[in-house]
Amino acid sequence: DGGITQSPKYLFRKEGQNVTLSCEQNLNHDAMYWYRQDPGQGLRLIYYSQIVNDFQKGDIAEGYSVSREKKESFPLTVTSAQKNPTAFYLCASSIDSPWNTEAFFGQGTRLTVV
Amino acid sequence: GNSVTQMEGPVTLSEEAFLTINCTYTATGYPSLFWYVQYPGEGLQLLLKATKADDKGSNKGFEATYRKETTSFHLEKGSVQVSDSAVYFCALSRSSGGSNYKLTFGKGTLLTVNP
Repeated sequence: DGGITQSPKYLFRKEGQNVTLSCEQNLNHDAMYWYRQDPGQGLRLIYYSQIVNDFQKGDIAEGYSVSREKKESFPLTVTSAQKNPTAFYLCASSIDSPWNTEAFFGQGTRLTVV
Repeated sequence: GNSVTQMEGPVTLSEEAFLTINCTYTATGYPSLFWYVQYPGEGLQLLLKATKADDKGSNKGFEATYRKETTSFHLEKGSVQVSDSAVYFCALSRSSGGSNYKLTFGKGTLLTVNP
């Protein structure tokens, strides 16, 4: 079945450590996105990528980094520079056309700093 | 810039009650509009969408009509079920320049349906 897979589902990080969240899709979508979800704040865009080897900062990119070396993969690294990393992280992909920007989401990764 | 405002929750209803969740948007031109649903501990799923003015999106008994004159896309269901309990997000898609069409989400509305 086609879809988006995020791993791990739960992740614990010590302060000062970098961690990488995995996102893989087999939908052949060009566009991929990372969102952060906090209670009462909805979804906020961290980074997005329209094509391989290209990505753009979203609204809250500070303290995060991404890469897009393959069409199927868009990993997110939460660096030690991110002051408040505890959150639910969602990866999504879409065809990215004007008439069909329906996004497909993964199951999410809950990151907790301990 | 683009923005989406939806009614704050939580919304608590009894089974078979009528549901309305209001959503208004700010965007230039003609965005596409969406409602997504998130069940506990999961990612978001597309519930319905509308791509032009006066379009009605519908799915699983939910409906929303794209009203350009009032810049609204209110979600309605005539008779909710316990299984509809979830967080509902209104979203719009609009070009931010070039060919990039990003989604902008509202803050979400938590719906709880009691038996």
